[in-house]
Amino acid sequence: QKEVEQNSGPLSVPEGAIASLNCTYSDRVSQSFFWYRQYSGKSPELIMSIYSNGDKEDGRFTAQLNKASQYVSLLIRDSQPSDSATYLCAPNTGFQKLVFGTGTRLLVSP
Amino acid sequence: DAGITQSPRHKVTETGTPVTLRCHQTENHRYMYWYRQDPGHGLRLIHYSYGVKDTDKGEVSDGYSVSRSKTEDFLLTLESATSSQTSVYFCAISEPRGSRDNEQFFGPGTRLTVL
Repeated sequence: QKEVEQNSGPLSVPEGAIASLNCTYSDRVSQSFFWYRQYSGKSPELIMSIYSNGDKEDGRFTAQLNKASQYVSLLIRDSQPSDSATYLCAPNTGFQKLVFGTGTRLLVSP
Repeated sequence: DAGITQSPRHKVTETGTPVTLRCHQTENHRYMYWYRQDPGHGLRLIHYSYGVKDTDKGEVSDGYSVSRSKTEDFLLTLESATSSQTSVYFCAISEPRGSRDNEQFFGPGTRLTVL
């Protein structure tokens, strides 16, 4: 079993819709989680971090964490074509190291 | 890119030659990381550093060595490049504010091709 599981996609949503990106992880030690956005040919960009169970909102982005289920998600409201990218989930292992999923490719159509 | 530069940005080399990639930061962050990114594998940690002269291995460290003689510079060396080391290499930095914090910021990447 991979440490971090993400659906590779592509996840296709129309402009203005809510995109829901999911991630499960196997390491119960993980206490913090990070979402990165990566445009094709570019470096990963940190967009959200979450440390506690529940929801954390930042603009159009909401991260949701459920440690008991070892599940973290990212919701993007009012999706825009500029949101089309690959989204990487990264739990912190507790040794100041992140473990990255392979990412979910999101396509937002106008 | 949070004050992080990587050099070179592109390199083509031949099998068996040594290669050194450089990561330079102006943020004075304590932690520095080297990753490689390949299709189907995502980002994988090669080596990381938690201070000057303090380094440790990641999950794919075979064939790679690192050095950090100054806070701002982290060097990745391929002693004898192989075709399997063709990849995109990213440097990242972080300055944790607590035990749970590990917000990492990435450099622009180096595309390495080993022929």
